[in-house]
Amino acid sequence: EPEVTQTPSHQVTQMGQEVILRCVPISNHLYFYWYRQILGQKVEFLVSFYNNEISEKSEIFDDQFSVERPDGSNFTLKIRSTKLEDSAMYFCASSRGLAGQGRDTQYFGPGTRLTVL
Amino acid sequence: LAKTTQPISMDSYEGQEVNITCSHNNIATNDYITWYQQFPSQGPRFIIQGYKTKVTNEVASLFIPADRKSSTLSLPRVSLSDTAVYYCLVGGGAGNMLTFGGGTRLMVKP
Repeated sequence: EPEVTQTPSHQVTQMGQEVILRCVPISNHLYFYWYRQILGQKVEFLVSFYNNEISEKSEIFDDQFSVERPDGSNFTLKIRSTKLEDSAMYFCASSRGLAGQGRDTQYFGPGTRLTVL
Repeated sequence: LAKTTQPISMDSYEGQEVNITCSHNNIATNDYITWYQQFPSQGPRFIIQGYKTKVTNEVASLFIPADRKSSTLSLPRVSLSDTAVYYCLVGGGAGNMLTFGGGTRLMVKP
């Protein structure tokens, strides 16, 4: 069964450093997403991406964040200057994007635990 | 975005059937109802999705009444490994954000 993969599983960084979280979505999926979950809190939407453009983003996704699909398989989330409050689990998800249908199931990866010291 | 309401927690015993009900009074016409399962420090795992009536797959059933203002996830014969948080979400359409609530924390006891 195809699945979303993410690397690394755990990233530790110093405050102010840049980090790049990587994801490989399911191969025939067209929409890609990033979510985060601070320990003990809800899963929060960050951004969705389609056709090499951001299609939707939340208030959390400020100028410190960026996303990119550098090649045909990877989807990355960059945090330019990390803050302590960026410590969280970051989940990548992808969906098929079936045009004309109301449903579009998002499949999540295992997550990257980001720890900012 | 339609808001969902579900119980904060539920307890059950191994071998029992568990039903978790979610209310979504403001569901839109083109919204689908999706349930996810999440274990600690893992990503949400898709369980089941439906639009109306009943949907069944190898792990669960989803019951949706005609007015679609609620839905019930049914887990047959739960085991200890079903202890997790279960999220009910409504929405639809490619690229749309999913809005997670607090979910229902299911504890299965031996």
